[in-house]
Amino acid sequence: AQTVTQSQPEMSVQEAETVTLSCTYDTSESDYYLFWYKQPPSRQMILVIRQEAYKQQNATENRFSVNFQKAAKSFSLKISDSQLGDAAMYFCAYRSHPYQGAQKLVFGQGTRLTINP
Amino acid sequence: DAGVIQSPRHEVTEMGQEVTLRCKPISGHDYLFWYRQTMMRGLELLIYFNNNVPIDDSGMPEDRFSAKMPNASFSTLKIQPSEPRDSAVYFCASLPSGTDTQYFGPGTRLTVL
Repeated sequence: AQTVTQSQPEMSVQEAETVTLSCTYDTSESDYYLFWYKQPPSRQMILVIRQEAYKQQNATENRFSVNFQKAAKSFSLKISDSQLGDAAMYFCAYRSHPYQGAQKLVFGQGTRLTINP
Repeated sequence: DAGVIQSPRHEVTEMGQEVTLRCKPISGHDYLFWYRQTMMRGLELLIYFNNNVPIDDSGMPEDRFSAKMPNASFSTLKIQPSEPRDSAVYFCASLPSGTDTQYFGPGTRLTVL
């Protein structure tokens, strides 16, 4: 079974600075997807960024980018120019490729990010 | 698009009562998922459906939990009888076939006294 580990329960950063959230995972599969979801106090789960394992190029979405290291099974999230609205719980998640059959997301325990003004 | 709709948003009940949580997925999405979020166990999958058929219910904690999807636009998660340890936030998510991104509803916060 796949597992996802986020080793940083809490992180804080000064507004406008850059912060990196860590995520590692364990799998024997070669094709899969990785995600970062954001959960603000409203509880809504919001997709931040996704990465397909077969793509070597790291995904980017505006101020958000990932560092995907497939061999190391590492998938970190970098937030540049941090804004107060980025304060939230961040969850790393794994999903098998559809041809593997399983469609479920496996989540890490989350990292609570605080932005200091 | 209204997104995934869940009701109620908050539910407070007493131990032993039946609780029914409801979900309307995004139109055209073939997959529907029920997740539970607790402080102790984080986010975990309870069950998911494909074309209204349950595919994997291995995460359903025990027989007190049941889920149905009578049609493509509606699903329920029922707990009978409820217990205080069932207190959690329950999320519904949907996914269109051939894609990889699940869309989450706002969640239902359940408190069992």
